[in-house]
Amino acid sequence: DIVMTQSPDSLTVSLGERATITCNSSQGVFYNLNNENSVAWYQKRPGHPPKLLIYWASIRESGVPDRFTGSGSGTDFTLTISSLQPEDVAVYYCHQYYSTPHTFGQGTRVEI
Amino acid sequence: EVQLLESGGHLVQPGGSLSLSCAASGFTFSTYAMTWVRQAPGKGLEWVSAISGGGDRTYYADSVQGRFTVSRDNSENTLHLHMTSLRAEDTAVYYCAFSVRGIVDSYFDHWGQGTLVTVSS
Repeated sequence: DIVMTQSPDSLTVSLGERATITCNSSQGVFYNLNNENSVAWYQKRPGHPPKLLIYWASIRESGVPDRFTGSGSGTDFTLTISSLQPEDVAVYYCHQYYSTPHTFGQGTRVEI
Repeated sequence: EVQLLESGGHLVQPGGSLSLSCAASGFTFSTYAMTWVRQAPGKGLEWVSAISGGGDRTYYADSVQGRFTVSRDNSENTLHLHMTSLRAEDTAVYYCAFSVRGIVDSYFDHWGQGTLVTVSS
């Protein structure tokens, strides 16, 4: 199975400051048919289902604020929140969908 | 509007069985692979099982292989998860989810609200 390892486990950032979360996959997740990496990022708030933020490592889902940016290649991926807002307090997960079983990172808690 | 509504979550004793359902609407259910993802209390997200649109291919996490069975009724637009030999570590909120790409190996852009399964004596 592909192991997804996030860091840090938790992050405290001031309002308006940048938050950066990294995710390492234990093996490559490059999808040859579209030359993209099979990595997604989700936001999870208590009592709510996960919300898709980013897919194919860097494509922002429709309706997601542009302060959320995904990047990376190979086995290292990053989610950046450029200017943290109060509504961004949540746990963030990376997800590889390159192969079954899909796997998630352990999550990164972002606080203000 | 796409809607996924899970049901069937309950308190069950260790070793017991339980069936979950996910009622789908707002899209052509039979053309989309469906997936179950769970989150144990205080823990992260865990992919559990998936099924192709036609129901002919199923996939399981090692942690549930041989105990859980995923199925679907495309005439009723409903996804099922039959769970047996339940353990305390199966306690979680169970979500159904799918991707507009329609395949198993994809990101999940649609999620249900989840149903809570508690395994305890």
